Amino acid sequence: DQQVKQNSPSLSVQEGRISILNCDYTNSMFDYFLWYKKYPAEGPTFLISISSIKDKNEDGRFTVFLNKSAKHLSLHIVPSQPGDSAVYFCAASAIITGNQFYFGTGTSLTVIP
Amino acid sequence: ETGVTQSPTHLIKTRGQQVTLRCSSQSGHNTVSWYQQALGQGPQFIFQYYREEENGRGNFPPRFSGLQFPNYSSELNVNALELDDSALYLCASSVRGVNEKLFFGSGTQLSVL
Repeated sequence: DQQVKQNSPSLSVQEGRISILNCDYTNSMFDYFLWYKKYPAEGPTFLISISSIKDKNEDGRFTVFLNKSAKHLSLHIVPSQPGDSAVYFCAASAIITGNQFYFGTGTSLTVIP
Repeated sequence: ETGVTQSPTHLIKTRGQQVTLRCSSQSGHNTVSWYQQALGQGPQFIFQYYREEENGRGNFPPRFSGLQFPNYSSELNVNALELDDSALYLCASSVRGVNEKLFFGSGTQLSVL
């Protein structure tokens, strides 16, 4: 049972434009969310996080939005750069599960120069 | 600051064999989690170790076991290997607490023939 879903396996965006990556979850107990970026032959690298007490968190070119009523979060990258081309995973956890993160299946982003 | 390191990077085993994967956590981190990433999937939680004790386990059979050592490094052992165990095994270290951030190693690619 996939509790975190990324329904777009891939996304292509022109350099300089906005990239929007989406993530949906089913478990209403999830209260902490993270985004990771993964290059081939490397482990996932932490990008940005958000807790359920917020609906937005920004870090440079990266912004994560959380819509708790829709059980939906999105990662915005502005402006997109060719070095952003990677697979992006969203992950969620709940205080009651504490130590277990549930990951989506990933979205492969290609930024075209 | 030393990041998370895993060994070996690649491993080929045959069905029924046993395997041990190793992980050194990032400096200052006291918790180690192991994840399995099958092809085309997101990472799936196997278990977590804190203070040398298993501290949470995902939906994996008992033939998946682990250890954490006093220096916070860790091992993942898999007995009676099956073909479906072929995957990328990721180790992540963190500092135990609310809103943990996982820091991943590059993983061990295990192939079971």
